[in-house]
Amino acid sequence: AQTVTQSQPEMSVQEAETVTLSCTYDTSESDYYLFWYKQPPSRQMILVIRQEAYKQQNATENRFSVNFQKAAKSFSLKISDSQLGDAAMYFCAYRSHNDYKLSFGAGTTVTVRA
Amino acid sequence: GAVVSQHPSWVICKSGTSVKIECRSLDFQATTMFWYRQFPKQSLMLMATSNEGSKATYEQGVEKDKFLINHASLTLSTLTVTSAHPEDSSFYICSATAGRGEADTQYFGPGTRLTVL
Repeated sequence: AQTVTQSQPEMSVQEAETVTLSCTYDTSESDYYLFWYKQPPSRQMILVIRQEAYKQQNATENRFSVNFQKAAKSFSLKISDSQLGDAAMYFCAYRSHNDYKLSFGAGTTVTVRA
Repeated sequence: GAVVSQHPSWVICKSGTSVKIECRSLDFQATTMFWYRQFPKQSLMLMATSNEGSKATYEQGVEKDKFLINHASLTLSTLTVTSAHPEDSSFYICSATAGRGEADTQYFGPGTRLTVL
């Protein structure tokens, strides 16, 4: 299984500010998919954003955007205009082109300060 | 959107008993379902992959005789924890994918909290 590394166990951000979560991964494949999932206190996993490796353009979903650096094997998530509802654990995940299994990082807990 | 349900949401059982957890895809047919285990403040650990009509594929280190998985239809997979012990207490999450194409996504159920006394 591919290794996904999230080096920030916890991040804190002021409401309305921006926070960036880092994620790196290890793979020898050229075609794959990357995801960020959010897990709020309810523990329901929610898909935040998805990136196909063959696409050079960074994915965006409203206040969420990614910085995908394929050569560096880096996939960071930027949360803009942070809201109290963004407080959650965020997981980066990798999926091979030929397999539906997800490899998750250890997660980053985001705290939003009012 | 794609909705996955789990039942029950929480269960308490005595040591030595068996517990069944259901995972249903409510508005799509799930060719593949996954079962995860999650400890507090930790990541999801994949236990097994379940394909409709075939035997589940278990990850290394997961006891297939203890965690029985059945994927009897395209909308239902069950996980049975047999002869449960306190160390089996955990949060169990299922996910499902329709397998329609490359960009297919896993949709997650809300999880089941199992406590074994």
